[in-house]
Amino acid sequence: DGGITQSPKYLFRKEGQNVTLSCEQNLNHDAMYWYRQDPGQGLRLIYYSQIVNDFQKGDIAEGYSVSREKKESFPLTVTSAQKNPTAFYLCASSPRGGPNQETQYFGPGTRLLVL
Amino acid sequence: KNQVEQSPQSLIILEGKNCTLQCNYTVSPFSNLRWYKQDTGRGPVSLTIMTFSENTKSNGRYTATLDADTKQSSLHITASQLSDSASYICVVTFYNAGNMLTFGGGTRLMVKP
Repeated sequence: DGGITQSPKYLFRKEGQNVTLSCEQNLNHDAMYWYRQDPGQGLRLIYYSQIVNDFQKGDIAEGYSVSREKKESFPLTVTSAQKNPTAFYLCASSPRGGPNQETQYFGPGTRLLVL
Repeated sequence: KNQVEQSPQSLIILEGKNCTLQCNYTVSPFSNLRWYKQDTGRGPVSLTIMTFSENTKSNGRYTATLDADTKQSSLHITASQLSDSASYICVVTFYNAGNMLTFGGGTRLMVKP
């Protein structure tokens, strides 16, 4: 898991509620990513950020929002518009530039369940 | 279309035995191909990384091979241990996708005593 932490480990969401997943890294990485993992499927990219105060939609951004106010933090909010939020959410980071540009280091994940 | 498919979906082997996991991709050449190990309820951890020009890369008991002609990579695990029980994910960085990764669905390996 390296220097990436995610919290909480488990999160429960009620109908119509927004919830926020935390992701923090102390690796001094410029880029950060959020993925969703469903059973039997590959990880799917929700949002990514290559630099502070900038982020881009991934393949499944609908119903999610992010912010990148600090280099080390990239929180993900699952909004009430996301109708099927139950999944395992993984945050990752990578250095920008150099031979390790494409190496992504993953956090331990947050499992989101709907009540 | 950039796609990565893995087989088998799940596999059970006895401790001490060898096994081979398969990964097929659709577009070549690519920037790099990685194998990740993901323990249950944890984030993936990188095992090996190969560029398109490499044929093999080892990391202890894990050896990844690449056959560019068949667009296939294999992950060989020798003398399996109980701690090898995990999901193994093949990930490809395609040139036409920038820095984004394309993930396979993974193979869930269970090693039994």
